[in-house]
Amino acid sequence: QVQLVQSGAEVKKPGASVMVSCKASGYSFTGYAINWVRQAPGQRLEWMGWINPGGGNTESSQKFQGRVTITSDTSASTVYMELSSLTSEDTAFYYCARGRYGDPLDYWGLGTLVTVSS
Amino acid sequence: EIVMTQSPATLSVSPGERATLSCRASQSVSSNLAWYQQKPGQAPRLLIYGASTRATGIPARFSGRGSGTEFTLTISSLQSEDFAIYYCQHYDKWPPWTFGQGTKVEI
Repeated sequence: QVQLVQSGAEVKKPGASVMVSCKASGYSFTGYAINWVRQAPGQRLEWMGWINPGGGNTESSQKFQGRVTITSDTSASTVYMELSSLTSEDTAFYYCARGRYGDPLDYWGLGTLVTVSS
Repeated sequence: EIVMTQSPATLSVSPGERATLSCRASQSVSSNLAWYQQKPGQAPRLLIYGASTRATGIPARFSGRGSGTEFTLTISSLQSEDFAIYYCQHYDKWPPWTFGQGTKVEI
């Protein structure tokens, strides 16, 4: 069965960076893109970006350009999302979700809570 | 960026009743519209894609309609496990693939 297992909760100070991982199993890793979606407390879901592990191409929302880096390791079936220059507004649950470009997000990880606090 | 607007913000219904949720896009997204259900402390779950196609394992009481800019999700007879927040999302043409602000379905 398809599973996306994310890394554990993180607490970071303002200005720092955080890296969240998402390990995929149960399907062909290079056949589907992995998207990153975040949800701040009480807020709507927010699409951040995606990567196609098969081709390595990636794209991020203009809101996060320059701050977010999405990479993949096909040998480990794992995608990484790094967010830099953190502020308190980046406190949120970060989800990885499977979905090809222009397709819905059909499987989701359980989420990783990132807390930014001095 | 396409703005997705959902209404109402909160829908109060009784078990067994019908619930109709609305989603509007600021420009046409064709039928590239998905609905997700999110319960407290859980990740979102895909319910509907292509505006009207139920995802695998989704009960028939969930149905979606619409195209272009106006969409609806109907839950024909609410069960206790259906009380949750529902989000629409477009995935038309190019990113960002934005979400609505959600509709909370409560008892």
